[in-house]
Amino acid sequence: AQSVTQLDSHVSVSEGTPVLLRCNYSSSYSPSLFWYVQHPNKGLQLLLKYTSAATLVKGINGFEAEFKKSETSFHLTKPSAHMSDAAEYFCVVSANDMRFGAGTRLTVKP
Amino acid sequence: NAGVTQTPKFQVLKTGQSMTLQCAQDMNHEYMSWYRQDPGMGLRLIHYSVGAGITDQGEVPNGYNVSRSTTEDFPLRLLSAAPSQTSVYFCASSYSRTSNTGELFFGEGSRLTVL
Repeated sequence: AQSVTQLDSHVSVSEGTPVLLRCNYSSSYSPSLFWYVQHPNKGLQLLLKYTSAATLVKGINGFEAEFKKSETSFHLTKPSAHMSDAAEYFCVVSANDMRFGAGTRLTVKP
Repeated sequence: NAGVTQTPKFQVLKTGQSMTLQCAQDMNHEYMSWYRQDPGMGLRLIHYSVGAGITDQGEVPNGYNVSRSTTEDFPLRLLSAAPSQTSVYFCASSYSRTSNTGELFFGEGSRLTVL
């Protein structure tokens, strides 16, 4: 069995400040982990993925995530938020099937 | 590059009506799937297919049917719509025969309201 928990349903930051979106997972197997982004009225787009290579994964648009097995976490970060980052973000764990987190809505204030 | 195309984008049904959500991909992907998105629940897998002629149930299959007669198309059928099926539906495909290693490519969604 596997599951994923996104610890914040809503995160608000000011433009130019760091972003941290938190994700914890549970899996009986060595999972693959993903972050997807969904802009309003759009489908989901892959930001980055971890598939048992380097634990620090770089994605598109300056996002990165670090896989920490001891903490069962895969938090998403970005050093400096842009207005265009405002969206919903989903953490996904995948071993024998894919499980999506409930999502974190990121608001970026000017 | 069309990618994954879903139709219709919006639909309003009355309870008991039937309808089909269409999904087509032009990337020659083996894996296709349908998800529903509800507030606070993320995306939940309804049905999936790992190739033409092969389908299987996901997490929430009740009330939905699928078929896969070609690699390109994967329609989702609601046989007798219920208000609980009000949701946003996403079709997704992947080049991997299993979804857990490959990137999922999503359509833009179909917003369904059942009155």
